Amino acid sequence: EDKVVQSPLSLVVHEGDTVTLNCSYEVTNFRSLLWYKQEKKAPTFLFMLTSSGIEKKSGRLSSILDKKELFSILNITATQTGDSAVYLCAVVAGTYKYIFGTGTRLKVLA
Amino acid sequence: DGGITQSPKYLFRKEGQNVTLSCEQNLNHDAMYWYRQDPGQGLRLIYYSQIVNDFQKGDIAEGYSVSREKKESFPLTVTSAQKNPTAFYLCASSIEPRTEGFNQPQHFGDGTRLSIL
Repeated sequence: EDKVVQSPLSLVVHEGDTVTLNCSYEVTNFRSLLWYKQEKKAPTFLFMLTSSGIEKKSGRLSSILDKKELFSILNITATQTGDSAVYLCAVVAGTYKYIFGTGTRLKVLA
Repeated sequence: DGGITQSPKYLFRKEGQNVTLSCEQNLNHDAMYWYRQDPGQGLRLIYYSQIVNDFQKGDIAEGYSVSREKKESFPLTVTSAQKNPTAFYLCASSIEPRTEGFNQPQHFGDGTRLSIL
């Protein structure tokens, strides 16, 4: 059975800290891995990763994929209170098959 | 602005009642999806539609129904057969994966929170 596992489930840090969120997967037909940020409502797209070892970067956020070890990490440096959210990892495992992890709830304290 | 609009934001269902959640998109996307999100669980796929007048069951379709009469619209009906409907419902859309490649992120609406009265 295809599955995506995220860790930790929740995390509390202070502003300025660096955090690393993990996403591991076991799927039969990997196409790509997606990261989303969900605050109160709609998940917003952060990154799409298809190739191993190529870092995607956007401001203080970065992500990388390891297709050999079947995982991805999302790094957030110099965290701010506005980074507080649930971070979702999803694997595209077929034409219409998006498999989501349970998410990591991040809380950044001022 | 292009996007996905879900309505209502909050919905209450009485025992034995069917309720319909609206989802409209103006992104010109062919594919649309409905997910259910429960606390501590990932998004679970209810139904998806590749094209007008066609839709497929997802992992948890029982107690739900959909229609796709227009490209822009993909309403979800939660029927009385769904015994545990309390959840956050998210609608999403994407470019048709087969024509543009498989690696397409989905765009999401702001969700509808459904509760039982």
